[in-house]
Amino acid sequence: KQEVTQIPAALSVPEGENLVLNCSFTDSAIYNLQWFRQDPGKGLTSLLLIQSSQREQTSGRLNASLDKSSGRSTLYIAASQPGDSATYLCAVPQGNDYKLSFGAGTTVTVRA
Amino acid sequence: NAGVTQTPKFQVLKTGQSMTLQCAQDMNHEYMSWYRQDPGMGLRLIHYSVGAGITDQGEVPNGYNVSRSTTEDFPLRLLSAAPSQTSVYFCASSYSIGTAAEQYFGPGTRLTVT
Repeated sequence: KQEVTQIPAALSVPEGENLVLNCSFTDSAIYNLQWFRQDPGKGLTSLLLIQSSQREQTSGRLNASLDKSSGRSTLYIAASQPGDSATYLCAVPQGNDYKLSFGAGTTVTVRA
Repeated sequence: NAGVTQTPKFQVLKTGQSMTLQCAQDMNHEYMSWYRQDPGMGLRLIHYSVGAGITDQGEVPNGYNVSRSTTEDFPLRLLSAAPSQTSVYFCASSYSIGTAAEQYFGPGTRLTVT
């Protein structure tokens, strides 16, 4: 069974600092990895989908890298803003299926 | 497109009551699924469907039923609510299999069972 771990569980940074969020997974035979954002009391918003053949994916200030061989992905958020405060979740499919295994998330607080 | 919609947003049930959580998507996605999110447990898969008429169990299916009569709708039924089913429920959908299977989530239903 795919196990997904996110470290740290919580992170607090001053505005303007770059954020580095880590995600590790136990089974490297993944199709893709998806990063989500969840605001308190809200649903999940997809941020980036990085496919198994890619090493990184970028969207605005967000950049996600993927190293399948080591079972790791990193989400970088450049020049953080208070509006980036949220919980960030990573998820990978279980085998070649649609079923997602989620990490517990990293809760980010950006201080103004 | 409305995306993935869920109703109700909030619900309080008494132990033993039954109810149906509604989920609909207007993106013509074949794959739909239900997750529950609990503090310290993360999101766990309850049931999923790869198309109309096809459903299967996920990681935590006990106490829940699903059916998929149309591509658009995927309701989740609680047969006899228990306090352990207090949780936030999310429905998700995806348009493709394999590497391009980005999943989209609904806003969630917060359920409390007393």
